[in-house]
Amino acid sequence: KAGVTQTPRYLIKTRGQQVTLSCSPISGHRSVSWYQQTPGQGLQFLFEYFSETQRNKGNFPGRFSGRQFSNSRSEMNVSTLELGDSALYLCASSLAGSATSYEQYFGPGTRLTVT
Amino acid sequence: AQTVTQSQPEMSVQEAETVTLSCTYDTSESDYYLFWYKQPPSRQMILVIRQEAYKQQNATENRFSVNFQKAAKSFSLKISDSQLGDAAMYFCAYRGNAGNMLTFGGGTRLMVKP
Repeated sequence: KAGVTQTPRYLIKTRGQQVTLSCSPISGHRSVSWYQQTPGQGLQFLFEYFSETQRNKGNFPGRFSGRQFSNSRSEMNVSTLELGDSALYLCASSLAGSATSYEQYFGPGTRLTVT
Repeated sequence: AQTVTQSQPEMSVQEAETVTLSCTYDTSESDYYLFWYKQPPSRQMILVIRQEAYKQQNATENRFSVNFQKAAKSFSLKISDSQLGDAAMYFCAYRGNAGNMLTFGGGTRLMVKP
């Protein structure tokens, strides 16, 4: 079974631009979560989607948004990029969630550099 | 809000020896899940071991085991017979019952000396 895939793997953008990152979960997984990883702030939860609905949201500004499609694939968008948005963005998928201990499988991440 | 603390930014262990990584957390929930994740230099995060809070028995996965102290809110990871491939960043993570949101600790970089 194929793992979680993220595209693109590397991205360089200019301040003020917007970017869209994509995540394809493991087949059959309905929950997709996004995390931002930086040396200063560590790993921080962005949001989770389950069956096309945002179920949880982290403490990030409205410039960060996401969505999930009917095939469970998910995208996250960052508008008006700032230098501080440079990070590794990780996507994780899970079979389900809520009152279960289903583990999350992480993708390789997208390295975003904002110049 | 839940917090997870890993007090050891770096740890070093000799190959074949045993090492213990520390993790403490703070929560007001009674049902939750705890995880240890490994992130090798390739960056792919891998689940090492998990513990359900309602289970008193400590989880074990081959050379990896945990010491879960619910009252003390402590969740340490013991790696036995350390191997060179164990060198990585290790993250302790907490998950409550409201979805799949993970709260991570700051990580511990484990170095394994041959």
